[in-house]
Amino acid sequence: ETGVTQTPRHLVMGMTNKKSLKCEQHLGHNAMYWYKQSAKKPLELMFVYSLEERVENNSVPSRFSPECPNSSHLFLHLHTLQPEDSALYLCASSQGQGLAIHEQFFGPGTRLTVL
Amino acid sequence: ILNVEQSPQSLHVQEGDSTNFTCSFPSSNFYALHWYRWETAKSPEALFVMTLNGDEKKKGRISATLNTKEGYSYLYIKGSQPEDSATYLCASRDNYGQNFVFGPGTRLSVLP
Repeated sequence: ETGVTQTPRHLVMGMTNKKSLKCEQHLGHNAMYWYKQSAKKPLELMFVYSLEERVENNSVPSRFSPECPNSSHLFLHLHTLQPEDSALYLCASSQGQGLAIHEQFFGPGTRLTVL
Repeated sequence: ILNVEQSPQSLHVQEGDSTNFTCSFPSSNFYALHWYRWETAKSPEALFVMTLNGDEKKKGRISATLNTKEGYSYLYIKGSQPEDSATYLCASRDNYGQNFVFGPGTRLSVLP
């Protein structure tokens, strides 16, 4: 138990569906991250929020839309996804401001399958 | 874009053996280097965050060194145990603050 929770743990959706992934951290951290782990590819940073402001966007397609309503919660809204978006989506949090200054604590991930 | 490489891709050792593997990253505009351990069916777990050239960090039987001038970090495991079996990931951030890139990982299997 890392203090970072994610729901749902598994999600199957069609290409026309809209769904959201949720992440919550109970560690009092200031920064939260979304990562994508595709099969046989390195872990890829998608978005970073630090003190509720986005500080990084790695040219992720607009069908992925992050939302950070407060420092403890992070959402990833999904719409009109493609089968190649099927992957493990990991959330993480860390102390401090900015990108990757401190160690990150990861959630268990959401395994997403797009049909 | 940062390119972070790790070698070897996978490694099998006997229980009790010591082992090490490498993370390579661009030395220019270096800011920070992270090491994580990722066990199957679990979340990645932070091992070290290193920023200074020549830095050495240790956590139990695991230690790491950092050479920012030549762009590499070594992770050492002394007296490997079966519970050390995992994928070991490194990630590098540059000084521009816009890139934080993970390597592909080294998959370690420790045989009893």
